[in-house]
Amino acid sequence: DIQLTQSPSFLSASVGDRVTITCRASQDIKNYLAWYQQTPGKAPKLLIYAASNLQSGVPSRFSGSGSGTEFTLTISSLQPEDFATYYCQQLNIYPPITFGPGTKVDV
Amino acid sequence: EVQLVESGGAVAQPGGSLRLSCAASGFIFDDYTMHWVRQVPGKGLEWVSLITWDSDTTYYGDSVKGRFTISRDNSKNSLYLQMNSLKSEDTALYFCAKDSLVGATIGEGMDVWGLGTLVTISS
Repeated sequence: DIQLTQSPSFLSASVGDRVTITCRASQDIKNYLAWYQQTPGKAPKLLIYAASNLQSGVPSRFSGSGSGTEFTLTISSLQPEDFATYYCQQLNIYPPITFGPGTKVDV
Repeated sequence: EVQLVESGGAVAQPGGSLRLSCAASGFIFDDYTMHWVRQVPGKGLEWVSLITWDSDTTYYGDSVKGRFTISRDNSKNSLYLQMNSLKSEDTALYFCAKDSLVGATIGEGMDVWGLGTLVTISS
């Protein structure tokens, strides 16, 4: 199984900050990586697919990069609604499809 | 409006069974692979199972293989998860999710999610 690790697991930030979250895969997953945002009590929301493609309707302050085993999610200027938990997900080698453990972005 | 609505969550005893349902609307259901994903409250996401648009292919996570069965009825725009031999570790919020690509076994992400249905396994 592909293992995904995320760093940091917790991130303290302020409105306007530039935030970067890293996701590392235990094997080469090419660009088959997605990023999700989840706020308490809500379902996950797809932000980025194929490592760097912005999902329709997602603000342009979100961006993704990377390939192979190392990927990043960047929020260029953190907004109040961005305080949430972020998960990466690999879709290259399955089953299983795997998620990272999550990164909580908090004040 | 594109929508997924799960139902069927309940309190069940260890060793018991439950059947979850997911009603889809607002998109061509039989064009897409569908997934079940679960989340223990306060914890991370765990992919459970998928079924392709034509039901030809199903996959399961190791923790549920042999106990859970995914199915769909395209005539009813519905997805199901039959859960047998339930364990306490199956306690979670269960989401159904739509794959992002038409006709693909697995696309590039899950672009529509329901709100989830809560399964609690307790004696």
